[in-house]
Amino acid sequence: DAKTTQPPSMDCAEGRAANLPCNHSTISGNEYVYWYRQIHSQGPQYIIHGLKNNETNEMASLIITEDRKSSTLILPHATLRDTAVYYCIVRVAPGVRSYDKVIFGPGTSLSVIP
Amino acid sequence: DADVTQTPRNRITKTGKRIMLECSQTKGHDRMYWYRQDPGLGLRLIYYSFDVKDINKGEISDGYSVSRQAQAKFSLSLESAIPNQTALYFCATSDSKELQETQYFGPGTRLLVL
Repeated sequence: DAKTTQPPSMDCAEGRAANLPCNHSTISGNEYVYWYRQIHSQGPQYIIHGLKNNETNEMASLIITEDRKSSTLILPHATLRDTAVYYCIVRVAPGVRSYDKVIFGPGTSLSVIP
Repeated sequence: DADVTQTPRNRITKTGKRIMLECSQTKGHDRMYWYRQDPGLGLRLIYYSFDVKDINKGEISDGYSVSRQAQAKFSLSLESAIPNQTALYFCATSDSKELQETQYFGPGTRLLVL
């Protein structure tokens, strides 16, 4: 079972910020929060990840609450090409011989509206 | 991601037939994965491999087998295809030396079992 819960769908106006929430109330201290997205039946694409500090890259920002039980992915200026399913994933950082499964739940279907 | 390719992209087969899906990567990654995706659901892990000839079962390995004879190639076989194996199949790769171990996905193979 996925360790995260996300709303099944959201809408966002083009040009506005898209804020996608994720709850991970059972997260452990050594687990990271990852975000991927999948644009209509293409392979999922990595967006960003974080442990406890907020993170930003060229695609998005990740805000993690102080208790780490939830996070928000922010797309600052959503475009039509950001319409996709967004997956929030919690997993332990990989070790040399260990592997923590990447569990993709149903995700949030984001529709960016003109 | 063009560095991860899958063949065929689409396949129609009949119940009971043996089929093979191929995955190749030019990223030089040591780890490779096979996932399946059913409509409206997230991805589920079938098998994964840490290196050549290393094979590990995922969540739903029954009815599937894999082969990793070379670092760049990871093939998935359905020994006797059945209709409920109709799905979208994704191959992915990752580099165990990379801290966050991002997974890079291929374009997918759409399989229909009649």
